[in-house]
Amino acid sequence: DTAVSQTPKYLVTQMGNDKSIKCEQNLGHDTMYWYKQDSKKFLKIMFSYNNKELIINETVPNRFSPKSPDKAHLNLHINSLELGDSAVYFCASSLNGGLTGELFFGEGSRLTVL
Amino acid sequence: QQQVKQSPQSLIVQKGGIPIINCAYENTAFDYFPWYQQFPGKGPALLIAIRPDVSEKKEGRFTISFNKSAKQFSLHIMDSQPGDSATYFCAASGAGGTSYGKLTFGQGTILTVHP
Repeated sequence: DTAVSQTPKYLVTQMGNDKSIKCEQNLGHDTMYWYKQDSKKFLKIMFSYNNKELIINETVPNRFSPKSPDKAHLNLHINSLELGDSAVYFCASSLNGGLTGELFFGEGSRLTVL
Repeated sequence: QQQVKQSPQSLIVQKGGIPIINCAYENTAFDYFPWYQQFPGKGPALLIAIRPDVSEKKEGRFTISFNKSAKQFSLHIMDSQPGDSATYFCAASGAGGTSYGKLTFGQGTILTVHP
């Protein structure tokens, strides 16, 4: 059983297009996140949701819009894709808002913008 | 602004060697310091973590040493194995407020263990 699953695993698209990445966790966690890993493998938080409420919005362009329909799902929609959006996007989840310290990451969604 | 600095960028050791990865942080509000291990094509996975009231923590072959006054911490891998070859990230986070799960990561260290 996959704890944090993301779809799709790979996305190749043209500049200017809109795309979505979906994430689901079956761990019963109350907090979910989106992290971005760039080509140099640097990981940076984008958003976090606690019980469907946006907690962290880390100066991400407005073209990125997260949506959490329920505690187990967090989707990421990206409008007007740019070359610089090419990266691996990781969904993660945690219990107790992350205060326990452990985040469980999905396997990532590799986005390539041409 | 890079708040957690990690070195070296890459590290090559022979099987049985003891690779050491170092991290330094700036923000004294950080109070949780995890290490994550990432294999190619996979997401990061928690390896071991420490809080600043402890100077050392050991789990199996992995040990974290923590120096609060120097704002530095390091990961040691004892008796390293080829299966330990991965990218290792140190991280730091604060407690409470809007810091829930907001990990600030180091730049990562690519470890290669030769058989």
